[in-house]
This record gives sequence, structure tokens and C-alpha cells, in this order.
Amino acid sequence: QVQLQQWGAGLLKPSETLSLTCAVYGASFSGYYWSWIRQPPGKGLEWIGEINHSGSTKYNPSLKSRVTISVDTSKNQFSLKLSSVTAADTAVYYCARGEDYGAIIGRYYFDYWGQGTLVTASS
Amino acid sequence: SSELTQDPAVSVALGQTVRITCQGDSLRSYYASWYQQKPGQAPVLVIYAKNSRPSGIPDRFSGSSSGNTASLTITGAQAEDEADYYCNSRDTSGNHVVFGGGTKLTVL
Repeated sequence: QVQLQQWGAGLLKPSETLSLTCAVYGASFSGYYWSWIRQPPGKGLEWIGEINHSGSTKYNPSLKSRVTISVDTSKNQFSLKLSSVTAADTAVYYCARGEDYGAIIGRYYFDYWGQGTLVTASS
Repeated sequence: SSELTQDPAVSVALGQTVRITCQGDSLRSYYASWYQQKPGQAPVLVIYAKNSRPSGIPDRFSGSSSGNTASLTITGAQAEDEADYYCNSRDTSGNHVVFGGGTKLTVL
């Protein structure tokens, strides 16, 4: 059974760097895209970025300058760093596994999610 | 466009059928997937690849697609279906991922 378990600091001061890690159990890294997604309080879901097993990354253009996603396949973990946080970065952060396939019409979906981590940026 | 548009709120009487829609240019290239999110919980995938259901999702949930619009239909809505529903896909470039703004479903 696939499980994603995430952890990291929940309270940051403005200008600090957010750091979260997600461990994957019961699945190989190969063949999937591993994403970070966030949800500000009372708002919708926002994709932050993804990484594949070879370390190739794609980021949300609105966050690209501050985001780094990395992978450690030996530990079956991937991580998120978001620099220079402000109050606007306060959100629940999720890790998730993405599947992307299909020829003429693509199929993309997140089938497994972590439990979520509330990160608050406040002075 | 890299946006997916959903109605903010929809209501349905208990036991009736409701359709939640999602519009966007990327849906001409990618089938939408749909997620159910209840308060304080992580989203749960309910429909993927146009009209496939993960194990454990009731068959009252179904999906369809036409042009730039995807739909999630709940046939015979139950009280436990009251939740926020999000659609998602790759964007038109295929390089990023987009979510709809979400639809709050109320079961009356």
C-alpha cells in the first residue's frame, strides 16, 4: 500500500526558508511525478512544483524564483524548500504522487497524498 | 490559457443528481481529474482519466468530457458527499499543473 508521510517546521518567521520532506512507502520513484501542493486557509489548491526520479523539476512560474524541489531516491524521499517566506505563504502544504500518461489525450492525476503540514509564517 | 474555471458553489437535494463543471483550454489536451476534500482532510481522488474511479469510490461518481469542459456527476447524492470538489490537469504547455478554484457542494 502506497503511503506518503511528510514532516517539517510548522512555524517560521518572515524571510526564513520553509523546508519540508516527504517519505514514500510502498512505491518506487520511477515512472511518477512527485509534487508539492499548498492550500492557504479557506482557499483553493495551488501546485508548487514537481520532480521525477531522475531529478528533473518543473515549477509553478509564480513561485519559481523561490522554490527548490529535490529527491533522494536512496531514501525514497523528496523535499521542498521555499525561500524568503512571507505571511502569504501561510498554508497547508501537501506532497502527492502524480501520474501522467496518454497519447492523443493526456491523463494527469494525483492518486496519493500526504497528510498535510500547516506552515505559518508570522513574526 | 492555463486556468481551470469552476462554479464556486452548487447545491443538490438529497438523493438527486448534481453536475459540477470545469472549463479550460487545457482540457482539450488532457482529461480532467477530480478530487473531493472535506474539512481538515487531504484531497481524495474520485475520478481520473475522464471516467475512471479509484478503488473504494462509489459508482454514483462519474466523469465526462466534451471540448474544453469536463464534468463530475454525482447520481443520487448522499449527505456524506457534501465537500469541496476540485478539478485538475496539466496546463496547455504540458509543463505545469493547474487546479480549478473549487466548487463547494451542499447537500440539502
